[in-house]
Parts: sequence; structure tokens; C-alpha cells
Amino acid sequence: EVQLVESGGGLVQPGGSLRLSCAASGFTFSSYSMNWVRQAPGKGLEWVSYISSSSSTIYYADSVKGRFTISRDNAKNSLYLQMNSLRDDDTAVYYCATDGWNMGTFDYWGQGTLVTVSS
Amino acid sequence: DIQMTQSPSSLSASVRDRVTITCRASQSISNYLNWYQQKPGKAPKLLIYAASSLQSGVPSRFSGSGSGTDFTLTISSLQPEDFATYYCQQSYSTPHSFGQGTKLEIK
Repeated sequence: EVQLVESGGGLVQPGGSLRLSCAASGFTFSSYSMNWVRQAPGKGLEWVSYISSSSSTIYYADSVKGRFTISRDNAKNSLYLQMNSLRDDDTAVYYCATDGWNMGTFDYWGQGTLVTVSS
Repeated sequence: DIQMTQSPSSLSASVRDRVTITCRASQSISNYLNWYQQKPGKAPKLLIYAASSLQSGVPSRFSGSGSGTDFTLTISSLQPEDFATYYCQQSYSTPHSFGQGTKLEIK
């Protein structure tokens, strides 16, 4: 059974940093591209970042480019999101999700971790 | 960037009703269109991918159609567990944008 478990969320002040992790199990993590998707409280879904299986290809949404860094450790079956220069509008539940039949189809999701940016 | 627009934003329906949700892309996306279901406090769940392919384990009362810019999600006979928010999403190009969501409520 595919399992994705996010961790690392919490309360951080504007301008601060946080590192999210996503622990994967139940599938061959090293063969799958991965994504981060977020959802602000009471709002819709927003794709944040993509990383290919070998880390050779990475994409970001314009809203986080230059501030967030996606990475992975295939030996540890883990995905990461380093978030710097956090702003109030980064407050959201952050989900990790596997890529499905094509890049950008999110077929399995974690339960999410809440990041709150507030002073 | 491709904009995705869903209609309606909310919908009231009864058990056993047939329901259709529409999604329009701001440019052609071929069949690179996915549908997700999200219940309160839960992660989204993939229902339909490639516009009309049913994800494994999803009941056959869910179906999708369309190509180019106009797409629909149809639930043939609503069940109590189907009341949720539905999102369309394009996987044609980055950023992989979502529609604003359609909240399906019990009448």
C-alpha cells in the first residue's frame, strides 16, 4: 500500500524558514517523480513544485521560485521542501503527491502538514 | 499560464441524482485533464485522469469526457459519500493549475 507521510510543519514568523519532509513507503520511490501541492485555509489547491525521479528536472510555481527548494533522497525514500523567506500567504496545508501517468497527474497524496506563517 | 475555470462553484443535489460539473481551460490542453475529489480535512483523491480514464478503485458512476478546452465530470447516481468538493486540474504544462473547485452539497 502506497503511504506518504508529511512532517515538519508548524508556526513560523514571516521571513523565517522551515523544512518539510515526506516519507514514502509501499512503492519504489526512486522510480517516481514527486510533487508538493498546497492549500491555504478554506481555499483551493495550488501546485508548488516538481522533482523528477533522479532529481535531474525540477520546476517551481512562480509564487515560490527563489524561496523554496525541492529535493529528495532516494536512499531514504524521502522528499523534502526547504522553505525560506516565508510570507503570510505561504500559510497552507502542504501535501506531497506522486506523479501518475504523466507529469502533473497526482495519483497518491499524503495527509498533509500545516504551515502557519504569522507573527 | 493556463487558467482553469469550473462551473458551478457550488451545487445542491439529492441522492440518486445525476450531476455534471464543467471545467474550461484557457487554451487547448488536449486530454491532459484530471479530476479530484476532496472531503473536509482530507487529502484530495484522484478520480479521473486523461480526461476520461477512471482511476483504479473509483466507482463506475464517475465518468469524465472532453478534449481541447471543455471537459465534464459526471456522477450518474449520487451516493451519500459523494458529497464533497471536486477540482479539475490540467497536467498539460507547468504550472499545473487547478480549477477553483465545485462544492457538492446535499439538497
